Amino acid sequence: EPEVTQTPSHQVTQMGQEVILRCVPISNHLYFYWYRQILGQKVEFLVSFYNNEISEKSEIFDDQFSVERPDGSNFTLKIRSTKLEDSAMYFCASSHNRGAYEQYFGPGTRLTVT
Amino acid sequence: EDQVTQSPEALRLQEGESSSLNCSYTVSGLRGLFWYRQDPGKGPEFLFTLYSAGEEKEKERLKATLTKKESFLHITAPKPEDSATYLCAVQAADTGNQFYFGTGTSLTVIP
Repeated sequence: EPEVTQTPSHQVTQMGQEVILRCVPISNHLYFYWYRQILGQKVEFLVSFYNNEISEKSEIFDDQFSVERPDGSNFTLKIRSTKLEDSAMYFCASSHNRGAYEQYFGPGTRLTVT
Repeated sequence: EDQVTQSPEALRLQEGESSSLNCSYTVSGLRGLFWYRQDPGKGPEFLFTLYSAGEEKEKERLKATLTKKESFLHITAPKPEDSATYLCAVQAADTGNQFYFGTGTSLTVIP
């Protein structure tokens, strides 16, 4: 069964460093998303991406964040200068279509900023 | 303003003891309500999509129902492997594709 994959599973970085989180969405899906979950809190939407551009983003997704689909399979989230409060689980998700379609989530990358 | 509220926060059941989890939502123009299961340290796993009031979906011991203001996830004769956090998410017509998640209900089923 197709699934979303994410690498690395755990990333430790120092404050101020840049990190890139990688995702491979399900192959025939067209819409891609990033969410984050701070420990003990709810899953929060960051950004959605379609046709090589951002379609929606939340207030959390400020200028420190960027997304890219560098090739036909990968989808990346870059944090330019990490802060302690960026420590969280980051989930990539994909859906086949826009609208009320289920999103399939990857296993997540645990980001720890020290 | 919370758009999705789940209750209870935690629930402990004996194996075989049926119960229901609640998800209340306040969005204008519900496009879809989604139930997910999340195991510790893992990503949410899709369970159900509900689109309109009165709709019901079933899968094994789980049954999801939807009204105009809330959804219930009924768990019939649960087993220890049903232990997980159950998340509810809504998608609203005026906010694009993003999902708004509740904080979840942590279910523990005791053998």
